[in-house]
Amino acid sequence: QITLKESGPTLVKPTQTLTLTCNFSGFSLRTSGVGVGWIRQSPGKALEWLALISWDDTKQYSPSLKTRLTIAKDTSKSQVVLTITNMDPADTATYYCTLIRFITPTGFGSSDSWGQGTPVIVSS
Amino acid sequence: EIVLTQSPGTLSLSPGDRATLSCRASQTVTSKYIAWYQQKPGQAPRLLIYGSSSRATAIPDRFSGSGSGTDFTLTISRLEPEDFAVYFCQQYGGSVTFGGGTRVEIK
Repeated sequence: QITLKESGPTLVKPTQTLTLTCNFSGFSLRTSGVGVGWIRQSPGKALEWLALISWDDTKQYSPSLKTRLTIAKDTSKSQVVLTITNMDPADTATYYCTLIRFITPTGFGSSDSWGQGTPVIVSS
Repeated sequence: EIVLTQSPGTLSLSPGDRATLSCRASQTVTSKYIAWYQQKPGQAPRLLIYGSSSRATAIPDRFSGSGSGTDFTLTISRLEPEDFAVYFCQQYGGSVTFGGGTRVEIK
């Protein structure tokens, strides 16, 4: 059974750095073609893709947020970590960790499984 | 960036009706790399369709996807009570972007 679970602070102050952790089970990031990504959703709004890390450590970032994002994996711990610098109230959202079962030749893929999401509020 | 426009914004239908949801891309989507997701209140999205027309694991065959180029469609052949939700399309042919969503509500 595949599970993903996000964790991190619920409340951060503007300008602070947010660190989110995704702990997963039921699959391995050593498996060729597999990736883990992050997607967020502001209250009542659409989905926004943030970043993706592949089994071979290739990293992809949203062009609009690239300068603020860092994604990394710890395969031995079955963990992926996303950091977002210089947080702003506009970053208030639920953040989801997702499994990409098949990375396509474009370097991206659909999100086959999702965590429950973790809410983050940015406020002073 | 490829912009996805979903229409209509809201679809009011009755159980048993056929639902047709549209997703139009601002430029051609590589190799039909379009996915569709269903989201219910308080839940994470669930993958329904990938590669424009392939159903994800355990998705009922009343859900089908079609299209190519810039125009894609999700069809629900006969709406069940549990199908009333918000649906998002996603393209992953050039970075990743999502449409704004279509809400399917009970008429």
